[in-house]
Amino acid sequence: DTGVSQNPRHKITKRGQNVTFRCDPISEHNRLYWYRQTLGQGPEFLTYFQNEAQLEKSRLLSDRFSAERPKGSFSTLEIQRTEQGDSAMYLCASSQVTGTGYDYEQYFGPGTRLTVT
Amino acid sequence: AQKITQTQPGMFVQEKEAVTLDCTYDTSDQSYGLFWYKQPSSGEMIFLIYQGSYDEQNATEGRYSLNFQKARKSANLVISASQLGDSAMYFCAMSPRRGFKTIFGAGTRLFVKA
Repeated sequence: DTGVSQNPRHKITKRGQNVTFRCDPISEHNRLYWYRQTLGQGPEFLTYFQNEAQLEKSRLLSDRFSAERPKGSFSTLEIQRTEQGDSAMYLCASSQVTGTGYDYEQYFGPGTRLTVT
Repeated sequence: AQKITQTQPGMFVQEKEAVTLDCTYDTSDQSYGLFWYKQPSSGEMIFLIYQGSYDEQNATEGRYSLNFQKARKSANLVISASQLGDSAMYFCAMSPRRGFKTIFGAGTRLFVKA
């Protein structure tokens, strides 16, 4: 296992279409995060899973966004009825919680760059 | 509300010199973690260093050290002996102990001159 992988790396779609991104975390990691990063900004938290449970969602995650992590393995992020404002880099990260219940380093994937035309 | 502030949009440093990237944060949590990540032009986020709010010693990782001043709520990154490969965006981030929403600053772009 060489790290967090994301597919596709690039996605161009027309406004109004649905898109789905996949993230495969490091296999032994139980936490998985989704972030959105626009040009010149830091990543913005979208949502977080511990195993298969989605424990926190940002208000940035509107009703058009949904994320799943079936069986606590890979995760998908779906955006319905895409808008031009959804154009961004979508980053996935994973981490392993320690015995203290706290994780330290998040390992990031290469991201999926979405362009909505 | 929790917030990370990085006031330096861009920094220049001469190769082999040290540079300090500033980060201040705001939180009402007593227990939290502070992180620095590097993002080269290729786009991947690379973890550099971590500091826990209750850690008494400043964190160090090779050429990276974190100057943690809890009372001032600052967590500056010091890079010693800068290398050309250090040219990148650097993000400061914070994660509370309770809840797991990690927030990032806007970043500082570092340029290392030969």
